[in-house]
Amino acid sequence: NFMLTQPHSVSESPGKTVTISCTRSSGSIASNYVQWYQQRPGSAPTTVIYEDNQRPSGVPDRFSGSIDSSSNSASLTISGLKTEDEADYYCQSYDSSNPVVFGGGTKLTVL
Amino acid sequence: EVQLVQSGAEVKKPGESLKISCKGSGYSFTSYWIGWVRQMPGKGLEWMGIIYPGDSDTRYSPSFQGQVTISADKSISTAYLQWSSLKASDTAMYYCARLSEGWFDPWGQGTLVTVSS
Repeated sequence: NFMLTQPHSVSESPGKTVTISCTRSSGSIASNYVQWYQQRPGSAPTTVIYEDNQRPSGVPDRFSGSIDSSSNSASLTISGLKTEDEADYYCQSYDSSNPVVFGGGTKLTVL
Repeated sequence: EVQLVQSGAEVKKPGESLKISCKGSGYSFTSYWIGWVRQMPGKGLEWMGIIYPGDSDTRYSPSFQGQVTISADKSISTAYLQWSSLKASDTAMYYCARLSEGWFDPWGQGTLVTVSS
């Protein structure tokens, strides 16, 4: 089994850019797609990035995803931060033995 | 529109049984896995298990194997999550979500389960 490790919290000012990391403990990050979910307080999660770097329709292009094999990690980058981006963000991946693996979540504060 | 609609909030006593539901619409219910995810108060997302309604193939997270039962009735496009004997530690929000090519989308609105004496 592998784990996905995220920072507990990040904070940044409106208009700035923030990056949230998601590090895979074993196996290659490039072997299986990584997804990112946004969860605002009191709401169900929604997808902001799927298949490493794809945005669902309706998600602004301020949101982007990438993977870095050298650090075995995925990243979610949000540019032009808005107060409405304040939420918890979760990465998720899988492998042949584990259909679903979630990261622990990162609380983004836009102050 | 692809949609998952979950049953309403429940308040139960320890030791009671419970079955919550998740009804899919707007797509072929039998062609996609449905997953259940637990979120305890103030905590992160935990995968519980998935089911393929087409043939009821079910996979459980080791953390939840034997603790819950996942089922589906494809005739009414509905998946279920059930407990035979609830504990206070089962108090949480439970989400269902469609699993497509390794990612969850859409998600249901969530069902809050409160277990208290």
